[in-house]
Amino acid sequence: TQLLEQSPQFLSIQEGENLTVYCNSSSVFSSLQWYRQEPGEGPVLLVTVVTGGEVKKLKRLTFQFGDARKDSSLHITAAQPGDTGLYLCAGVDSNYQLIWGAGTKLIIKP
Amino acid sequence: DSGVTQTPKHLITATGQRVTLRCSPRSGDLSVYWYQQSLDQGLQFLIQYYNGEERAKGNILERFSAQQFPDLHSELNLSSLELGDSALYFCASSAGTGTYNEQFFGPGTRLTVL
Repeated sequence: TQLLEQSPQFLSIQEGENLTVYCNSSSVFSSLQWYRQEPGEGPVLLVTVVTGGEVKKLKRLTFQFGDARKDSSLHITAAQPGDTGLYLCAGVDSNYQLIWGAGTKLIIKP
Repeated sequence: DSGVTQTPKHLITATGQRVTLRCSPRSGDLSVYWYQQSLDQGLQFLIQYYNGEERAKGNILERFSAQQFPDLHSELNLSSLELGDSALYFCASSAGTGTYNEQFFGPGTRLTVL
């Protein structure tokens, strides 16, 4: 069974600080997605990374796919209260199914 | 707005009862997924339908069932409800083709079992 482990599970930091969230697996994925979920709402797709070593930027968010396509990271620069939410990673397996991480709950304090 | 609609938004019922949750996918999407999310937990995949046929099954209880209709909307039926079934239930849709399987989520149905 493929597993995706996210770390940390919970992170609370001050506005303006930087942070990194990790998504790790022992399995290879054909691609990997990051979603953000706000309380009481459905997850929203942020980005899909496809190629090993790929880096994508979305304003202050930087996403990286590991060279071996087994892991990914999300780095947020100068975090703002609007970044608060649950961040979920999901890898696409060989059957085109999504394998979900448990999520990182991020709180940015003003 | 993802284009995925779910009804009802909230549902309060008693133990032992049966409820039906409804989902309409984005226009053109053939795949529908159902997820359960308990308080402060991640997403638990329940079941996937593609163009009317069951495609994949996750941790779905025998008391739960789903179907996708010819117009591609889907319903999730939950029966013999227990307190532990209280959760947010999300529907997501995707094109169902291609390799990225990017999913678009509805606003969810919050089920409270008393």
